[in-house]
Amino acid sequence: AQKVTQAQTEISVVEKEDVTLDCVYETRDTTYYLFWYKQPPSGELVFLIRRNSFDEQNEISGRYSWNFQKSTSSFNFTITASQVVDSAVYFCALSERNRDDKIIFGKGTRLHILP
Amino acid sequence: DVKVTQSSRYLVKRTGEKVFLECVQDMDHENMFWYRQDPGLGLRLIYFSYDVKMKEKGDIPEGYSVSREKKERFSLILESASTNQTSMYLCASSPRTGGSSYNSPLHFGNGTRLTVT
Repeated sequence: AQKVTQAQTEISVVEKEDVTLDCVYETRDTTYYLFWYKQPPSGELVFLIRRNSFDEQNEISGRYSWNFQKSTSSFNFTITASQVVDSAVYFCALSERNRDDKIIFGKGTRLHILP
Repeated sequence: DVKVTQSSRYLVKRTGEKVFLECVQDMDHENMFWYRQDPGLGLRLIYFSYDVKMKEKGDIPEGYSVSREKKERFSLILESASTNQTSMYLCASSPRTGGSSYNSPLHFGNGTRLTVT
């Protein structure tokens, strides 16, 4: 069965600390995409990144980095030197080629960055 | 700048009322989606549409219907609102390229927070 698990419901860290948000997925498809979205207090989910199942290269974008490991079915997201503006709910999602119409979302991790 | 616009940010309706939630996108996307978001449950798909006049049930379609008469507009209808439909409703769209859309990120609206009393 297709599934996305974000085991951390809520995380609080002090500003400037590094924080990693975990995402574990289950799929039988060999071709799929993984996504991360950010939902700030304003409510609109914003797309952050996608990775396809054939590209395990890690990605860095400024203070954000993503670690994709097929061996552990994980796609973790790290924020380095966190800032208060990073406070949001973060969602991991899975989209499979054989289920083109369905995107599976995790339940989200609420991140609090404390000043 | 691309946009998905939901007509209302906040709505308060009474039990039994018929409720319309409107969503418009200006990106010429083929796919449109309605989700509801509840604490602890994440995002759950209500309905989606991959073309005008087409609709598909998502995971929780009961109590809802949809309408897509034009490509840019996707409406969610609560035929007879109930208190358990109090929730945040999110509309999203995505393109279909090369016959598939599994690699396309979703573009979301700001959400409509609906309260049914």
